[in-house]
Amino acid sequence: DAKTTQPPSMDCAEGRAANLPCNHSTISGNEYVYWYRQIHSQGPQYIIHGLKNNETNEMASLIITEDRKSSTLILPHATLRDTAVYYCSRADRDDKIIFGKGTRLHILP
Amino acid sequence: GAVVSQHPSRVICKSGTSVKIECRSLDFQATTMFWYRQFPKQSLMLMATSNEGSKATYEQGVEKDKFLINHASLTLSTLTVTSAHPEDSSFYICSAVAGRLAKNIQYFGAGTRLSVL
Repeated sequence: DAKTTQPPSMDCAEGRAANLPCNHSTISGNEYVYWYRQIHSQGPQYIIHGLKNNETNEMASLIITEDRKSSTLILPHATLRDTAVYYCSRADRDDKIIFGKGTRLHILP
Repeated sequence: GAVVSQHPSRVICKSGTSVKIECRSLDFQATTMFWYRQFPKQSLMLMATSNEGSKATYEQGVEKDKFLINHASLTLSTLTVTSAHPEDSSFYICSAVAGRLAKNIQYFGAGTRLSVL
């Protein structure tokens, strides 16, 4: 049970912002939301995480709704190298991250 | 940034042999390491959780005698696939966590592609 829901795939034009949604309606008050991505045949790469406030780093921005039931990962200027599977995840009570199926993001030239 | 090294990146072996995969945290001490496997076009499936100095905790359906995990130090965990068979062919990935102070962020190795002939 991944406990997060994401669209299976999305397309985004190169140079535009890619907005990837995630639903985590059963998240508890002290659980973080983590985003990872996996480029083909590589290990996943950590992108960003958040609890309540919106977060930004050199890779992306994370917008978390006030009720914390959903979030959006934003890649501000998508490039072809951002083509990957993006996973939105939560840790369970044993701090294990169970990965769902993720969103396959296609960046279109 | 936190770096996790996984070795080897690819291994081809004959059926019945054992294969050891190493996972090292290079610039931090990992309180916990995780082992995943991934089949083509599927998501990562957690196999086991490995804590330094204690026995690994295996997920339901994962044979502990088949997949031996040793976490002898805070920077090294190993996964040994014993008596490998073709159905064990998969992409094996480890991750390491620096602990709650690091917000339990997992840093992943590059993965090991195992092909059993």
